[in-house]
Amino acid sequence: KQEVTQIPAALSVPEGENLVLNCSFTDSAIYNLQWFRQDPGKGLTSLLLIQSSQREQTSGRLNASLDKSSGRSTLYIAASQPGDSATYLCAVLTNSGYALNFGKGTSLLVTP
Amino acid sequence: GAGVSQSPSNKVTEKGKDVELRCDPISGHTALYWYRQSLGQGLEFLIYFQGNSAPDKSGLPSDRFSAERTGGSVSTLTIQRTQQEDSAVYLCASIPGLSSTDTQYFGPGTRLTVL
Repeated sequence: KQEVTQIPAALSVPEGENLVLNCSFTDSAIYNLQWFRQDPGKGLTSLLLIQSSQREQTSGRLNASLDKSSGRSTLYIAASQPGDSATYLCAVLTNSGYALNFGKGTSLLVTP
Repeated sequence: GAGVSQSPSNKVTEKGKDVELRCDPISGHTALYWYRQSLGQGLEFLIYFQGNSAPDKSGLPSDRFSAERTGGSVSTLTIQRTQQEDSAVYLCASIPGLSSTDTQYFGPGTRLTVL
């Protein structure tokens, strides 16, 4: 069974800092890995999707990397802003299924 | 266009009552998922509908849970004889194509509280 772990569980940084969120998974046989953002009382918003054949994806200040062989992904946020405060979820789609396997998330607080 | 919508946004019920949660996927999306997010836990897969195929119910935690999708669009998740451990946020997602590797679009969720 695929296990997805996110570290740290919570993070507080001052505005302007660069930061890295970590995600690890136990089964490297994956189709893709996604990073989502979840705001309180709202659904999930997809940030980046990395296919298993890719190493990284970038969108604006966000960069996600994937090392499938070691079962790791990182989400890098550059020049953090208070509006980045949210919970960030990592999810993998394994070859054997069609449902995403989620980590428990990292709760990020960016202070002004 | 409109995203995935869910209703109600919040539901408070008494233990033992039945509840129905509704999901309206994005128009034209062929596949629909239900997930559950319990406090302190990651999202947990419940059920998957793809077109006219039989749904994958392998994630449903007990026979008190059931779901249907009418006309390939709206879906209803029903929980019978609710228990306190059913308290969670129930999220629905849909994908545009026939490939399960497409990005999933999530609704805002229904927060269920069982007293």
